[in-house]
Amino acid sequence: AQTVTQSQPEMSVQEAETVTLSCTYDTSESDYYLFWYKQPPSRQMILVIRQEAYKQQNATENRFSVNFQKAAKSFSLKISDSQLGDAAMYFCAYRSAYQGAQKLVFGQGTRLTINP
Amino acid sequence: GAGVSQSPRYKVAKRGQDVALRCDPISGHVSLFWYQQALGQGPEFLTYFQNEAQLDKSGLPSDRFFAERPEGSVSTLKIQRTQQEDSAVYLCASSLGVQAGAPNEQFFGPGTRLTVL
Repeated sequence: AQTVTQSQPEMSVQEAETVTLSCTYDTSESDYYLFWYKQPPSRQMILVIRQEAYKQQNATENRFSVNFQKAAKSFSLKISDSQLGDAAMYFCAYRSAYQGAQKLVFGQGTRLTINP
Repeated sequence: GAGVSQSPRYKVAKRGQDVALRCDPISGHVSLFWYQQALGQGPEFLTYFQNEAQLDKSGLPSDRFFAERPEGSVSTLKIQRTQQEDSAVYLCASSLGVQAGAPNEQFFGPGTRLTVL
C-alpha cells in the first residue's frame, strides 16, 4: 500500500518570503500522480498543483512550484512571495495512475502560518 | 451551484443514533468519493463510486458504514449506531471521469462535521 509522509506539522514564514513544505511517499508503482491541496479554515479542499510522475519537468503554477525527485520519492512544495491568504493546512496526496485505483492517499498535513 | 455541496454542514448525534450525510457532486461528474478526516489529520479514503456502481469500499471502517448513489448523482453516507470514534469531518469529492492516463482531478465539498456525544 502507498503511504505519504509530511514531516513538518507546522511551518511559518514572513509575508513576501519563500517557504518549502516537504513530502515523501512510498510506492512500488512507476506511474502515478502527486498533488498538493490547500485546506483553509473553512475546510474546502482546493487543488494547488499536480505532478505526473512520468514528467521530468517540475510543475509550476504562478507562485507555487514543486521539486519532484522520483528516485528519492520526494515531492516538496515551494511557495514564493508568501501572502496572508496562503495561510492554511497543506496536504500532499498520491494517486495511482492505474485506471481502477482512483482514491487519493493523503499525508498528515502541514499547517502554514504567514506572519505579517 | 458550480461546486460540490454537502448537507448538513454540522451534525450532532447521540451515541447509538443513525445519521445520514448527503453529497451533491458537480453535475456530470462520473466519479464520487467519500473521505473521513479526523481532527488534525489528513483525509482517509472511505469509498468510491463510478456512476451508481460502488467500485471500492475498502476504506469503510465497519459494517455500520454504508454508502449509496442509486441514480449516479447524489450520494448518501449512512452511519448506523454511531460511536464516539465516528466523530470527524466527512468530505465528499467528485471528478469528471476515469480516463486512463488522466489526472482526474477531484473537487471537494465543504464537508460535514459529525460530533457523536
